[in-house]
Amino acid sequence: EVQLVESGGGLVQPGGSLRLSCAASGFTVSSNFMSWVRQAPGKGLEWVSIIHSAGATYHAGSVQGRFTISRDNSKNTVSLQMNSLRAEDTAVYYCARAGVTVAGKYYFDYWGQGTLVTVSS
Amino acid sequence: DIQLTQSPSFLSASVGDRVTITCRASQGISSYLGWYQQKPGKAPNLLIYAASTLQSGVPSRFSGSGSGTEFTLTISSLQPEDFATYYCQHLNSYPITFGQGTRLEIK
Repeated sequence: EVQLVESGGGLVQPGGSLRLSCAASGFTVSSNFMSWVRQAPGKGLEWVSIIHSAGATYHAGSVQGRFTISRDNSKNTVSLQMNSLRAEDTAVYYCARAGVTVAGKYYFDYWGQGTLVTVSS
Repeated sequence: DIQLTQSPSFLSASVGDRVTITCRASQGISSYLGWYQQKPGKAPNLLIYAASTLQSGVPSRFSGSGSGTEFTLTISSLQPEDFATYYCQHLNSYPITFGQGTRLEIK
């Protein structure tokens, strides 16, 4: 059974750092595209980052230069290193597998339960 | 960046109704569009991918259509469990973006 479990969320001060982790089971992260999506309280979905099976990474403009997605193949995990955090980064962060492939595009078929990040002094 | 605009943003309907949600892209995205359902406090769930393909396990009352810049999600006969928020998502290029969401509530 495919499962994604996020961890690492919490309260952090503006300018601080946090590292989120997503533990996968039932499949191999290195063989899939993996992504992070966030949702601010009461707001819609915002794509954050993605890592391709070949290792290429892409980030949303709002987090470019501050957030870094990576994976640990030995632990079958995906991480999101978040630096220089701002109040507007406050959100639930979801890890998702982009496992449905059509014409070279990858749709998000499995999601974790999310982890809350609160940036506040 | 490609912008996705959903309409309506809020929809009130009754069990058994047929409803349609529209998603318009700011530029052509071929058929690289997905639809997701999200219930309060839960993660999104993939309903439709490649604009019109039903994800495994999703009831057949859900359907999608469109290409280029205009897309629709239709629920043929609303069931109580369908009251949720729906999002479209494009995968044409990076950055990936989502529509602002359509909240479907019981009339």
